[in-house]
Amino acid sequence: GQQVMQIPQYQHVQEGEDFTTYCNSSTTLSNIQWYKQRPGGHPVFLIQLVKSGEVKKQKRLTFQFGEAKKNSSLHITATQTTDVGTYFCLSPSLGRGQLTFGSGTQLTVLP
Amino acid sequence: DAGVIQSPRHEVTEMGQEVTLRCKPISGHNSLFWYRQTMMRGLELLIYFNNNVPIDDSGMPEDRFSAKMPNASFSTLKIQPSEPRDSAVYFCASSLHSGRGSDTEAFFGQGTRLTVV
Repeated sequence: GQQVMQIPQYQHVQEGEDFTTYCNSSTTLSNIQWYKQRPGGHPVFLIQLVKSGEVKKQKRLTFQFGEAKKNSSLHITATQTTDVGTYFCLSPSLGRGQLTFGSGTQLTVLP
Repeated sequence: DAGVIQSPRHEVTEMGQEVTLRCKPISGHNSLFWYRQTMMRGLELLIYFNNNVPIDDSGMPEDRFSAKMPNASFSTLKIQPSEPRDSAVYFCASSLHSGRGSDTEAFFGQGTRLTVV
């Protein structure tokens, strides 16, 4: 299945620093979903964005959907060690409903 | 609802043996996904069912792998015969797919850690 391209693949930050991961698509997306997987855990849904230019916040996490609905970003302010994990973006609209995960961004937070 | 339930949580088997992984999706969900996760290959989609019908099985590695969904509340992933390279964590997930661009989120089970020796 098709995937949304995500960068960077790995990111190490000091605790307290900000972190951003970006997702890009060559085609317009109907929606985009973000998931987080902690080490040893299973992917957990964070949010879904549907509208052009949409911005949603969850505490220190800010999610954006581009005006053209071809890109999205997740920004974490003042990272904490609890933010460690792999963050995935994907879009069910790229296929026939299948959820195809890319490589994600693996975040390490150094204390 | 108890969420997506997978069994067993851990499975250790000898090469050549048949392995059956089980999944109970969330009631009311019409989509079910089987994934395999390894360090080398990441999270791979093996097969996707919608309304109990396999829609996309292009991720199934080879004929040794088969998946069934006899009803809306149960699915199995079978590996016969198993090989050491099948060792991985297998996840099942379910969601409600509307087909109109606004899908609900996927809920994942805890996974089955399979080790083939």
